[in-house]
Amino acid sequence: AQSVAQPEDQVNVAEGNPLTVKCTYSVSGNPYLFWYVQYPNRGLQFLLKYITGDNLVKGSYGFEAEFNKSQTSFHLKKPSALVSDSALYFCAVRASGNTPLVFGKGTRLSVIA
Amino acid sequence: ETGVTQSPTHLIKTRGQQVTLRCSSQSGHNTVSWYQQALGQGPQFIFQYYREEENGRGNFPPRFSGLQFPNYSSELNVNALELDDSALYLCASSPERAWDTQYFGPGTRLTVL
Repeated sequence: AQSVAQPEDQVNVAEGNPLTVKCTYSVSGNPYLFWYVQYPNRGLQFLLKYITGDNLVKGSYGFEAEFNKSQTSFHLKKPSALVSDSALYFCAVRASGNTPLVFGKGTRLSVIA
Repeated sequence: ETGVTQSPTHLIKTRGQQVTLRCSSQSGHNTVSWYQQALGQGPQFIFQYYREEENGRGNFPPRFSGLQFPNYSSELNVNALELDDSALYLCASSPERAWDTQYFGPGTRLTVL
C-alpha cells in the first residue's frame, strides 16, 4: 500500500527567502506524485505533478519539485517566498493503474513579511 | 466553464442522523471522487463514480454511500452519523476516471454533535 510522509507540521520562512516543504513516499512500482495547496475555506488547488521524465517539475505560482527516486522524496520548493504563499500544502502519491491518491497530513507554510 | 461546486457549505447534524452532500462536476467531466478530510489530516479517498457506476472505494464502512446522476453530478450519503464523521468533505471531478487531473470543490464542512 502506498503512503506519504510530510515530516514537518509547520514551516516558517521570511518573505523573499527560498522555501522547501518536504515529502517522502512509499509505493510499489513507479510513483505518480502530486502537490496540492489549500487556502482557508477552500478546496485543494493543484500545483504540480510528476509522472515520468525530468526529475525537476515546474508548476503553478513559481513552485517546483524535485523527484529523487533513491531517497523516495518529492520536496516542494520555491526560490523566493511570498506572504500570499502562506497556506496548507499536501503531498500525494498513487501507484500506476486505477488507484486513488493517498495524501500526506499536510504542512502549514507561514511566510512572514 | 464552471468549476466544481458543492452544497451545502456547512452542515450540523446529531449523532445517528443521516446526511446527503451534493457535488456538481466541472463541465465536461464524467468522474467524481469523494474525500473526507478530518481536522489536521489530509484528504482520505471515500469512493469514485464514473458514468453512474462506483469505480473504486476506500476504507470506509457501507454507511457511506453515493450516487452519480446522468448529468454527472453526485451525492454522498452518510447514515447513522458518528462523532468521528465530523470533517470537511471534498469532491473532485475529472475526465474519464483520470486520477491525475482532478479539480476539487470547496468542500462541505460537516459537524456531528
